[in-house]
Amino acid sequence: DAGVIQSPRHEVTEMGQEVTLRCKPISGHDYLFWYRQTMMRGLELLIYFNNNVPIDDSGMPEDRFSAKMPNASFSTLKIQPSEPRDSAVYFCASRTGTPNTGELFFGEGSRLTVL
Amino acid sequence: GNSVTQMEGPVTLSEEAFLTINCTYTATGYPSLFWYVQYPGEGLQLLLKATKADDKGSNKGFEATYRKETTSFHLEKGSVQVSDSAVYFCALSGWNNYGQNFVFGPGTRLSVLP
Repeated sequence: DAGVIQSPRHEVTEMGQEVTLRCKPISGHDYLFWYRQTMMRGLELLIYFNNNVPIDDSGMPEDRFSAKMPNASFSTLKIQPSEPRDSAVYFCASRTGTPNTGELFFGEGSRLTVL
Repeated sequence: GNSVTQMEGPVTLSEEAFLTINCTYTATGYPSLFWYVQYPGEGLQLLLKATKADDKGSNKGFEATYRKETTSFHLEKGSVQVSDSAVYFCALSGWNNYGQNFVFGPGTRLSVLP
């Protein structure tokens, strides 16, 4: 079975541009998480979904960030407009919700550089 | 709320040394506990897990025991190798006001020198 698939793997853009990161979770997983990782702040949870519904978005930094999950096999994280401080590696992860003992499976990450 | 605390390091050891990375947690109910490893340039991958008190998770020579009385899940390895150099994250799966959640510690960077 394919793992969590993220795209693009690398993105370099200029300040003010819109950035869209994509994620395909593992089939059958009903939880999807978006994390951001930087040297300064470590691994931060941005938002997570259960059955395509956003459950906790308290980690989303500000209104420039938005996330959607239109169906069970696809999610996007959008930054508009982007700023240099958004430079980070963004990870998507998924898991099954039943039972509560299952681990989180991570994608390989999308490395974003905003100039 | 649920939280995980772990020694932040960095930890530098010589090859074949004994490794301990401490992890303690705060959670309501009975969480599941995990250790993840992240090698340079890669995503996080599961190293081991334990789902109930006194369970011992083990993999690749690493071990951790779920201690409910001390709310701890310390990672140990008897003899580290250069290839174990990575960042290690302790994590828990539990419940909060929103439902299920998954919480990570800050990570501990391990460097093993030949």
